[in-house]
This record gives sequence, C-alpha cells and structure tokens, in this order.
Amino acid sequence: DAKTTQPNSMESNEEEPVHLPCNHSTISGTDYIHWYRQLPSQGPEYVIHGLTSNVNNRMASLAIAEDRKSSTLILHRATLRDAAVYYCILRGRISNFGNEKLTFGTGTRLTIIP
Amino acid sequence: EPEVTQTPSHQVTQMGQEVILRCVPISNHLYFYWYRQILGQKVEFLVSFYNNEISEKSEIFDDQFSVERPDGSNFTLKIRSTKLEDSAMYFCARRLGPAGGYTFGSGTRLTVV
Repeated sequence: DAKTTQPNSMESNEEEPVHLPCNHSTISGTDYIHWYRQLPSQGPEYVIHGLTSNVNNRMASLAIAEDRKSSTLILHRATLRDAAVYYCILRGRISNFGNEKLTFGTGTRLTIIP
Repeated sequence: EPEVTQTPSHQVTQMGQEVILRCVPISNHLYFYWYRQILGQKVEFLVSFYNNEISEKSEIFDDQFSVERPDGSNFTLKIRSTKLEDSAMYFCARRLGPAGGYTFGSGTRLTVV
C-alpha cells in the first residue's frame, strides 16, 4: 500500500478553520484519497474522499494538489466536537471482490481549544 | 439510526473461551469488514467478506478466527479460544458498492481475563 505522512498532532481554536495536511508522494494514478476520523471511544467515521478534483461535503472539504502528492482536509469552522484523530488513507483500484481494505496509520490528533 | 449496529458493546470473557461478536448491517450491503484496535494502537484490518466468502484476511486472522453471515443479515466474528492479547475494540464495517466510503460500527470492547 502507498504510504501517507501526517503530523502527529495539531491544535486549533474553536470556530477557526483547520487545515490538516497529508503527504502521499508515492500515490499511484488509481489511488483514491480517503479521510476518516475517530472520536474518543468511537469507531472510525468516514469524512470525505477524492481522486483528482477538490471535493466538498457537509463535513469538510478536500483539496488535492495538482500532482496528487499531497492533500489537505479542511474543516471550515472547527467545533469542540471535531476533536479527534484524523486519518488520511490511500485506497487502491476498486475491484468487484471487496478486498480493498483500509490501512490505518497513526493519523493526526486534532485538539480544539475553546 | 446507525447503519451498522454491533452487539454486545462490551464483553468480558475468560481466556480459552469462545466469543461471538455480532454486526447487523443493512441487509442489502455486500461488502463487510472486521477491524480491531488494541488500546492505544492503530486500527488493524482483520478480514473482508464479499458474497458470503472471505475475500482477504490479514496475518492476525489465524485459525482461531472465523466469520460468517448465517442468516443473510447478521455478520459474526468468532474467536474460538480467546487469548489475553485478543483484548481490543472490534469494529465491523461495510461498504455499499465499489465506490465510496466505509461505514463503521461503534465497536465491541472485548476484554479477556
């Protein structure tokens, strides 16, 4: 699996935007960039994913570099409930066999300061 | 209503006993996964299950582990003879189709004593 690199931890003030970076210099052309988060004592939660173009949903935005070697998860207005570990994961080509597992790293622990 | 429900939320068992962890996804899901997370460590892949068959398994998923979908809805993970090191959070996940994200359940905390 192609590897991703994220900062171990970040802090942000409540109600401010947060930019969580991820480097994936060995990404292949068919790898999707997925972001998940894990709140304390909960299972991972899907946030967003993309391939080449920037993506927006109700939770966040994903900005993907033109060369796809890095991406940034953007939380537009952080709340205390956004305090979690955020994982950037590359997922390979989709097949019909259901074996596209997610490989979790250590992620970025985001602390929100009231 | 959560899309993936796991039961029980917490199970304590004695070493050497069998445990069955249950996952109830919505019935039209096709792709299922089990992951585990030992306290303070990474989320680790155990097994993927598609079309009622195992499609991939990790080194962790040895002969002590098995999965099945006995009645077309419940998806179970069985650990035949639990060890202390099996103590972890176990997460079931599903994926609706070839594209898209994965939905995880809230997990079962297994404690082996």
